[in-house]
Amino acid sequence: DTAVSQTPKYLVTQMGNDKSIKCEQNLGHDTMYWYKQDSKKFLKIMFSYNNKELIINETVPNRFSPKSPDKAHLNLHINSLELGDSAVYFCASSHGGRGDTQYFGPGTRLTVL
Amino acid sequence: GESVGLHLPTLSVQEGDNSIINCAYSNSASDYFIWYKQESGKGPQFIIDIRSNMDKRQGQRVTVLLNKTVKHLSLQIAATQPGDSAVYFCAETGSSGSARQLTFGSGTQLTVLP
Repeated sequence: DTAVSQTPKYLVTQMGNDKSIKCEQNLGHDTMYWYKQDSKKFLKIMFSYNNKELIINETVPNRFSPKSPDKAHLNLHINSLELGDSAVYFCASSHGGRGDTQYFGPGTRLTVL
Repeated sequence: GESVGLHLPTLSVQEGDNSIINCAYSNSASDYFIWYKQESGKGPQFIIDIRSNMDKRQGQRVTVLLNKTVKHLSLQIAATQPGDSAVYFCAETGSSGSARQLTFGSGTQLTVLP
């Protein structure tokens, strides 16, 4: 049973398009996250979200937006894709308290042509 | 800004030897530290964590050491196996104004030689 799952695993699209990446967790966690990993393997937080609070990393362009239909899902919408958006995007979840372990999904490799 | 960094980007060890991966952090207010392992094509996987009120914690074949005086964290892997080959990240919380957001270091590629 997959704890944190993402779809699709690979996403190839043209510059200027709008796309979404879906994330689901079956761990009963209260908080979910999106991370971006660049070509040098550097992981950077984009968003953290629970039903009370959305925290956005100030460096994330407003073309990126998280959408949470329910506690188990946090989807990532990206508008007007740019070449620099090409990366691997990871979803993660945790119980939400300070210092709780975050569990990561398998990642979505986004390639913008 | 605050940062979490690693001393060595790559590390090669012989199978059976012990591995030590180091990490430096700059925020003295950081109070929770985690080591993650990321295998090729997969997401980061939790290995072990430590809170700032401890200086050592042991798991199965892994030990994390925390030296708050010099803001240094290390991961020791005993009897390194081929399956340990991966990128290892240290991460910390408490540096970005949000208690829940992890700040990751740049990663160390560990290669286990036969």
